Order: sequence, then C-alpha cells, then structure tokens
Amino acid sequence: GQNIDQPTEMTATEGAIVQINCTYQTSGFNGLFWYQQHAGEAPTFLSYNVLDGLEEKGRFSSFLSRSKGYSYLLLKELQMKDSASYLCAVGDSNYQLIWGAGTKLIIKP
Amino acid sequence: GAVVSQHPSWVICKSGTSVKIECRSLDFQATTMFWYRQFPKQSLMLMATSNEGSKATYEQGVEKDKFLINHASLTLSTLTVTSAHPEDSSFYICSARPLSLDSGEQFFGPGTRLTVL
Repeated sequence: GQNIDQPTEMTATEGAIVQINCTYQTSGFNGLFWYQQHAGEAPTFLSYNVLDGLEEKGRFSSFLSRSKGYSYLLLKELQMKDSASYLCAVGDSNYQLIWGAGTKLIIKP
Repeated sequence: GAVVSQHPSWVICKSGTSVKIECRSLDFQATTMFWYRQFPKQSLMLMATSNEGSKATYEQGVEKDKFLINHASLTLSTLTVTSAHPEDSSFYICSARPLSLDSGEQFFGPGTRLTVL
C-alpha cells in the first residue's frame, strides 16, 4: 500500500533550527513536495525534490534519499510566523500526490 | 504565475440546499484539477480527481451523487454539494496541475469554507 509518515507535532524555539522528517512507501515516485499550511488557509508550495540531495531555498532546505524513502525539511532561524502545518506529499506513478497527515510546528518565543 | 482562484470564499446555507463551488486556473491550463476537503485540525483529504472533458474519479467513501464535479474547460472545475447537511460543513480546497509541468506539482486555490446550518 501507499504510506507517508511524518510526526504529528513538533515544538521549537524562535531563532532555532528544526528538522521535520518524512518517510514514504509509494507505487512509483515522481518527486517529493513540501507544503506549508497555516490554520484556515490553503497549502502553499515550499519545495520539490526529485533527485537525491539537498535543495536550499533561503531559510528552508529539503533533502531527499530515494533509496531510503526519506526526506526532511529543515527550517533555520525560526520565526513565529513559521508556526504552521508542514505537509509532505509524494507524486506517484500517475503523478497523483499522496499526502502525509502533516506535522504541526509550534514555535515558542 | 500559476494562480488558482475559488469562489465563493465562504458560504452559509440551510440544510437541504445545494451549493456550487468554482475553481479556476487564472493563468494556466489544467487538464487535471483536484478537490480536497479538510475538517478542523485534520489533514487534507482528497475527494476526487477531475479531468477536463471526462468523468471525475472519486476516492473511496466519497459519494459521487452528492458531490457533483464538472470540469467543462481547461481552466474551470466546479464542485456542487447537493442536499447539504451540517456534517458537510468543512473547508473545501481545489488544486490544479498545469498542462506544461511534468513534476506533478499542484497549485492550490484559497479554499471555500462551507457552513451548513
């Protein structure tokens, strides 16, 4: 079956670094996406990895290991506005997105 | 680029009435659009995949006669919640996948909050 696992909730301190992990088992693989979703709003795109390695985009970086079925999203210099849910999604062989349940990130001052 | 709009942003209706939600890709063409539902503090739940010019593919447990989907053009898909009941109250979000993009990335609309009294 298809499965995407990520922690339900994480807490971090403003200014710190946090890593949100995602493991997946899907039928086919056409890339892994990270989306950010603030409460009451639609998801917004953060990153896309299709090859192994690290993609850096400002304070956010995303890593992929296809052989391990593993990705992480790294957030640096955390700000209060980073408090949100972070959704991991994998494109399967039909380019359908399979969604994880999301990780709620709580930032404390 | 890659903007998706939804209308209305929010709607309140009486039980038993039908509500239509529109999803438009404003600056790109999308053969495939997706409809999601999200209950408070829960993750996105895919309801159906809408393909232009053909019938929608519904996920298990989603009643196709209750949630009517029409994808009449490459830029417009509609979801009609028929005979809505209070348990249908939710946040409905659409997304669209550009024709030109191979990655499978989806661009999301801002969502429609439906409250059924």
